[in-house]
Amino acid sequence: DAGVIQSPRHEVTEMGQEVTLRCKPISGHNSLFWYRQTMMRGLELLIYFNNNVPIDDSGMPEDRFSAKMPNASFSTLKIQPSEPRDSAVYFCASSLRQGFNQPQHFGDGTRLSIL
Amino acid sequence: AQSVTQLGSHVSVSEGALVLLRCNYSSSVPPYLFWYVQYPNQGLQLLLKYTSAATLVKGINGFEAEFKKSETSFHLTKPSAHMSDAAEYFCAVKGQNNDMRFGAGTRLTVKP
Repeated sequence: DAGVIQSPRHEVTEMGQEVTLRCKPISGHNSLFWYRQTMMRGLELLIYFNNNVPIDDSGMPEDRFSAKMPNASFSTLKIQPSEPRDSAVYFCASSLRQGFNQPQHFGDGTRLSIL
Repeated sequence: AQSVTQLGSHVSVSEGALVLLRCNYSSSVPPYLFWYVQYPNQGLQLLLKYTSAATLVKGINGFEAEFKKSETSFHLTKPSAHMSDAAEYFCAVKGQNNDMRFGAGTRLTVKP
């Protein structure tokens, strides 16, 4: 069974550059979540989608961040322009929307370093 | 609104000792509660979940958690710690829109 797949696993880029993080949820899952994890702030929910529709993006820190889910099997998180304070590990997770007992399944994350 | 609070950002135990990681929840409706574990450089993995079928929930790797409504708690325990249990542990509660509210995490250290 393929889990949540994130790419790239590591990204190092200079400030001002555009960064695109990618996520493929588990097949059949209809909820998708983007998180950011740092030592200072812990695990933060950035945005989540139900059936490809953004439900809550109140966690997106600034307009520099945007997320899309063009279809049920793919989502992107974009940062443009990137800044050093965006350095973090970004996780994607997916779950079944039906039933509150459904857990979220996490990818291995993208470790982003902005120089 | 649903939320969880994890008491203790760091817990240290000796190998073979009891592990107790604390989690208290706040919820206006019957909560759906979860424990996750995160090993270095990995994503979060589900340890166990409470879904009201039984108050004592058994998970993977010998962990279990007991739901106590009177104490609004869902503490995670393991009778005997192993070196491989060293990781960060997160308690979480389901929100009303299928989102997940995570605690701040507890880092478990196991001493030889």
